[in-house]
Amino acid sequence: NAGVTQTPKFQVLKTGQSMTLQCAQDMNHNSMYWYRQDPGMGLRLIYYSASEGTTDKGEVPNGYNVSRLNKREFSLRLESAAPSQTSVYFCASSGGGFGQNQPQHFGDGTRLSIL
Amino acid sequence: QQQVKQSPQSLIVQKGGIPIINCAYENTAFDYFPWYQQFPGKGPALLIAIRPDVSEKKEGRFTISFNKSAKQFSLHIMDSQPGDSATYFCAASGWGGTSYGKLTFGQGTILTVHP
Repeated sequence: NAGVTQTPKFQVLKTGQSMTLQCAQDMNHNSMYWYRQDPGMGLRLIYYSASEGTTDKGEVPNGYNVSRLNKREFSLRLESAAPSQTSVYFCASSGGGFGQNQPQHFGDGTRLSIL
Repeated sequence: QQQVKQSPQSLIVQKGGIPIINCAYENTAFDYFPWYQQFPGKGPALLIAIRPDVSEKKEGRFTISFNKSAKQFSLHIMDSQPGDSATYFCAASGWGGTSYGKLTFGQGTILTVHP
């Protein structure tokens, strides 16, 4: 099983450019998440989607937008990239229904540099 | 606001030693406490998790100790091996209101196990 697949793996952007990070899971999970990982700060939640058709803000949503395209896919968009958005971005998914804390399965990340 | 504080930032032990990583949380609504292991270039992977109705959980060489009154939990790695060298993250989540399923991560601990 592929699990959670993220594309691209690496990307370099110039300030002001836009791009979309793609994420797909093949585990039939209801919930999907986007995190960013910065040195010394752990992982911080950007946006999440508890189920198909719903999205909600996490801890650090400013400068990002998301789309839950279908149950499998959850994309993250940077409309106007800024150097402060240089980070490693992780997508995750989890199963279970409302009120159930299920393990989150992570992709291998997208390493994004903004010059 | 950092709701989960993790220490130490880095830890070096000899093979066979017992590294201990500590986490403290603030939000009394948290009711699920997982630990994730991350190798370079990979996404975090669930290692072990505990709920507050037990004080200890063991899985192989990994043990979580949980102190609800002190709002602290820790990871112990018995008979540590060089292959355990990785970054370890504690996390916490609860549900109710808007906190469902959203993990709050600690800052991470870089563990090095020397042969």
